[in-house]
Amino acid sequence: EPEVTQTPSHQVTQMGQEVILRCVPISNHLYFYWYRQILGQKVEFLVSFYNNEISEKSEIFDDQFSVERPDGSNFTLKIRSTKLEDSAMYFCASKQGTYEQYFGPGTRLTVT
Amino acid sequence: EDQVTQSPEALRLQEGESSSLNCSYTVSGLRGLFWYRQDPGKGPEFLFTLYSAGEEKEKERLKATLTKKESFLHITAPKPEDSATYLCAVQSVFTNKLIFGTGTLLAVQP
Repeated sequence: EPEVTQTPSHQVTQMGQEVILRCVPISNHLYFYWYRQILGQKVEFLVSFYNNEISEKSEIFDDQFSVERPDGSNFTLKIRSTKLEDSAMYFCASKQGTYEQYFGPGTRLTVT
Repeated sequence: EDQVTQSPEALRLQEGESSSLNCSYTVSGLRGLFWYRQDPGKGPEFLFTLYSAGEEKEKERLKATLTKKESFLHITAPKPEDSATYLCAVQSVFTNKLIFGTGTLLAVQP
């Protein structure tokens, strides 16, 4: 069964460093998303991406964040200068059309 | 503002003891209500989509129902492997994003 994959599973970085989180969505899906979940809190929407551009973003997704689909399979989230409060689980999701979103296993980002 | 409230926060059941989880929502035009299961340290796993009031979906021991204000996830004769956090999310007709509740942590004891 096709699934969303994410790498790395755990990333430790120092405050101020850049990180890139990678995702491979399900192959025939058209919509791509990033969400995050701070420990003990809700899953929060960050950004959605369709037709090679951002279709919607939350107030969390400021100038420190960017997304890219560099080729036909990968979808990346870049954080330019990490802060302590960026520590969270980051989930990639994808969907085919008007259907449900399928989530990846997540990347645990720890900023020290 | 679109929002989702889930109750209870945590629920402990004995194996075989049926119960229901609640998801109350307010949304400016419902496109869909979604139930997910989340195991510790893992991503949400899709369970059901409900689109309109009166709709019901079933999968093994789980049954989801929807009214205009809330959804219930009924768990019949649960087993220890049903232990997880159950998340409810809504999508408005005006956006593509999901708005999640805080979830219900279910523990089923043998």
